[in-house]
Amino acid sequence: AQSVTQLGSHVSVSEGALVLLRCNYSSSVPPYLFWYVQYPNQGLQLLLKYTSAATLVKGINGFEAEFKKSETSFHLTKPSAHMSDAAEYFCAVTGVGGSQGNLIFGKGTKLSVKP
Amino acid sequence: KAGVTQTPRYLIKTRGQQVTLSCSPISGHRSVSWYQQTPGQGLQFLFEYFSETQRNKGNFPGRFSGRQFSNSRSEMNVSTLELGDSALYLCASSFKKGQTKTAAEAFFGQGTRLTVV
Repeated sequence: AQSVTQLGSHVSVSEGALVLLRCNYSSSVPPYLFWYVQYPNQGLQLLLKYTSAATLVKGINGFEAEFKKSETSFHLTKPSAHMSDAAEYFCAVTGVGGSQGNLIFGKGTKLSVKP
Repeated sequence: KAGVTQTPRYLIKTRGQQVTLSCSPISGHRSVSWYQQTPGQGLQFLFEYFSETQRNKGNFPGRFSGRQFSNSRSEMNVSTLELGDSALYLCASSFKKGQTKTAAEAFFGQGTRLTVV
């Protein structure tokens, strides 16, 4: 079975500071990995995805993530936080075999940005 | 292009009742998935439909069911509602060609917030 662990349910940074949200996955096969963002009372929006091409993936709003197979990690970073980045972030991995169509999500990390 | 549309946005039901939620995918998308989001359990996969056929199902009781119509619109139904069914139900659509294993991007609707009292 596949699983995703997001370290830290809450992360707080100052505006302009580095954002680092951690995601580790467990998978017996090469995974596809995703980061989604959710604003209050909204659905999920895709930030970026890794699908076995480049290990450093650039996404929207200045976010990027690096796939590290040796560490089974896919951490999300942004060099300089903006107030508008305050939201909840979810890391997800695809299922295997017959469950290719579903996403397995981590518990989420709520990002707060202080002025 | 219109996004994924879920109706209604908010719903209040009484324990024991049943409820039907609707999802209209992005035009051209034939795959529709449903997720339940709760503070305790997070985001959990319910089921996926492709071309009117259920392809995958998550670990939920039989009270949760769904279907997909020929125009790719999907509905999910929950019978005999329990207090624990209170959640945000999210629908996602994606473009997939047949049975390929590609991880097509899933586009999410804004969700239906169901409250069971």
